[in-house]
Amino acid sequence: GDSVTQMEGPVTLSEEAFLTINCTYTATGYPSLFWYVQYPGEGLQLLLKATKADDKGSNKGFEATYRKETTSFHLEKGSVQVSDSAVYFCALRIISSGSARQLTFGSGTQLTVLP
Amino acid sequence: KAGVTQTPRYLIKTRGQQVTLSCSPISGHRSVSWYQQTPGQGLQFLFEYFSETQRNKGNFPGRFSGRQFSNSRSEMNVSTLELGDSALYLCASSAPGQGIETQYFGPGTRLLVL
Repeated sequence: GDSVTQMEGPVTLSEEAFLTINCTYTATGYPSLFWYVQYPGEGLQLLLKATKADDKGSNKGFEATYRKETTSFHLEKGSVQVSDSAVYFCALRIISSGSARQLTFGSGTQLTVLP
Repeated sequence: KAGVTQTPRYLIKTRGQQVTLSCSPISGHRSVSWYQQTPGQGLQFLFEYFSETQRNKGNFPGRFSGRQFSNSRSEMNVSTLELGDSALYLCASSAPGQGIETQYFGPGTRLLVL
């Protein structure tokens, strides 16, 4: 079946540090890939997405590139801020027989940024 | 455009009771999905509705059910509550036929079963 493996957390960084959260996937079809972010006490917010190989999703300084050859979608940010502290989820979704299957999520990575 | 709304935001129930949660999708979105989030199991898919029909179902017992109305609003019901049903229940809506079907999530309903 489909699965997403995320880097184990928690991750603690100082403000302005470089961030990488690793994400790899296995899929029975050709997935679209997503990063969602969850702030304390809230639901999930879409951070960025990519629909095909070599696509780069970007938003709010975060980037991730869809790498089909390594089945990866690592999240990066050049300079993190305290406000980036949250849980980050990598997810995939496959279109099959004309309709999309459900999102499959990784386990989430807790990021804490210290001032 | 207003986002996905979920009511109530918090609920406390006791074992054996039943509960109904409500979700209003983004205007124009006809697909609604439900997910359960727990610290132990993470985010797990419950079911998806499209045009009042269940299109997809996750691996949950029959105590979990849902429905969708003609205005795309959706409800999920959990009967005979168990302690393990304590979770954050998230609803997401999407607009099939518009590309990659990005799902947009509501703030969730936090259910505590005592």
